[in-house]
Amino acid sequence: GAVVSQHPSRVICKSGTSVKIECRSLDFQATTMFWYRQFPKQSLMLMATSNEGSKATYEQGVEKDKFLINHASLTLSTLTVTSAHPEDSSFYICSARDLYLNTEAFFGQGTRLTVV
Amino acid sequence: GENVEQHPSTLSVQEGDSAVIKCTYSDSASNYFPWYKQELGKGPQLIIDIRSNVGEKKDQRIAVTLNKTAKHFSLHITETQPEDSAVYFCAASTDGNQFYFGTGTSLTVIP
Repeated sequence: GAVVSQHPSRVICKSGTSVKIECRSLDFQATTMFWYRQFPKQSLMLMATSNEGSKATYEQGVEKDKFLINHASLTLSTLTVTSAHPEDSSFYICSARDLYLNTEAFFGQGTRLTVV
Repeated sequence: GENVEQHPSTLSVQEGDSAVIKCTYSDSASNYFPWYKQELGKGPQLIIDIRSNVGEKKDQRIAVTLNKTAKHFSLHITETQPEDSAVYFCAASTDGNQFYFGTGTSLTVIP
C-alpha cells in the first residue's frame, strides 16, 4: 500500500524554540494532507487540513499562528510548532490522500514531541 | 460538526473469541467509515473501511457493518489472536475529507 513517511519520529526541544515536522507521501500525490494531535490514551484530534498550494484550514480552537502548516508540493507538508511550550508536548500524526483518485487516507508513523 | 462516539473504551477477550466495537455518528452527510488499528507509539493503520452505499463488508477475520438509518457502525473481529491486541479507532468522514475519530477501544486478547 501507499506509504506516508513522517520525520522525525521523536524530538525534544526547549521551551520557546520552534520545531518542524515533515510529512511525505512516497508513492502517490498527496493532494490533501491532514494533521492530527493525540494526547496519551486519547483519540486523534484533527488540527488542520491542507490542500497542495493552498492555505491550510484550521479546526476551531487551533492557533494557526502557532501551528504553521505548509503544503507547497504534492509530496510534502510540514507542521511547524512555533514558540513551543511544555503543553505542546504530544504525539503529532499526519495523513495524506489523493483527492482526485479518491484514495483512502494513509497515516504517517507519528512524531512524539517533548518540550522541556 | 461531526461527533463520533465509540464503545467500549476497553475490551478483554479470550483468544479465539470474538470482539465487537461499536460507533455512532451524528452527521448524516458522513459517507465513509474507516477503522484503524494503532499500536503503541505508532500511527494508525487502516484495517477495513465501509462506504455508505454498503451495509456490510468482510475481510477474513474482520467485518464491519453499517446502519445508516440509525447512524451506527460496528467492527467485528472473529477468532481473535494475541496480535490483535491494540487500540482501535473508528472514524467518520464525508467524501474522505476531514476524518473525525472515535475515542478508541483498547482491545486485549488473553492467550
